[in-house]
Amino acid sequence: QLQLQESGPGLVKPSETLSLTCSVSGGSISSSGYLWGWIRQPPGKPLEWIGSIYYSGHTYYNPSLNSRVTLSVDTSKNHFSLQLNSVTAADTAVYYCARLVDGYNFLDCWGQGTQVTVSS
Amino acid sequence: EIVMTQSPATLSVSPGERATLSCRASQSVGSNLAWYQQTPGQAPRLLIYGASTRATGIPARFSGSGSGTEFTLTISSLQSEDFAVYYCQQYNNWPFIFTFGPGTRLDIK
Repeated sequence: QLQLQESGPGLVKPSETLSLTCSVSGGSISSSGYLWGWIRQPPGKPLEWIGSIYYSGHTYYNPSLNSRVTLSVDTSKNHFSLQLNSVTAADTAVYYCARLVDGYNFLDCWGQGTQVTVSS
Repeated sequence: EIVMTQSPATLSVSPGERATLSCRASQSVGSNLAWYQQTPGQAPRLLIYGASTRATGIPARFSGSGSGTEFTLTISSLQSEDFAVYYCQQYNNWPFIFTFGPGTRLDIK
C-alpha cells in the first residue's frame, strides 16, 4: 500500500527558507502514470496547490508562488522535496504531499500533513 | 483562474439520511472534477474523480454527478464515519493550476 510521509521543521523564521521532504513507501516514485505534488492549507482557508514534479525532475508551479518555490526529486531515496523561500506569516499552513494521476491532476494518495508555522 | 464554490458551508444531517453537497465552478470544467473527504487530523481521501467515478475502495453510498459548472456529491445513507469535511477540486486545465473549493462541513444532526 502506497504511503507518503512529510518531514521537516515545524517552525521557520520569517524571510528564511521552508524545506520539507516527502518520503514515499510501498511504491516507486519512478512509476509511470503519476507525478508528485505539494498542497497546503492555511488556517481557515481552502487547500492550495503549490507545485508538482515528475520523477524525471520536470516541474509545474502555481504562478502565485512560482518565484519562491523549488521542487526536487531523488529517485535513489524515493523521496521528493519542497523549498519555499522568503517565507512570511502567510505561509503558515499544514503542508501535504500527494500523488497525482498524470494527465488529470487529481490526487489519489496523500500524506498525513505537517504543520509549518512561520514566526520569529 | 477557475474559482470553486461549495454550498452549504455546513450541513447537519441525521445518520441514515441522505446528504447532498453542491460544488460550482466559475467556468466550465467539463467532467474534470474530484471530491475528497477529510476527517479531523487525517489527510484528505479521494472519493470521486471524473465527476462521477468512485475511487478504489469507496462505498457505493457515495455518488457524484454533474458536468460543466454544477456538480453534486450525494451520500445516500449517512454512516457515523461520513461526518467530515468534503472538498471539490477542478483539474480542467492540466498541467496547469488546479483549484479546490472551500469545503462543506457535514455534521451530525
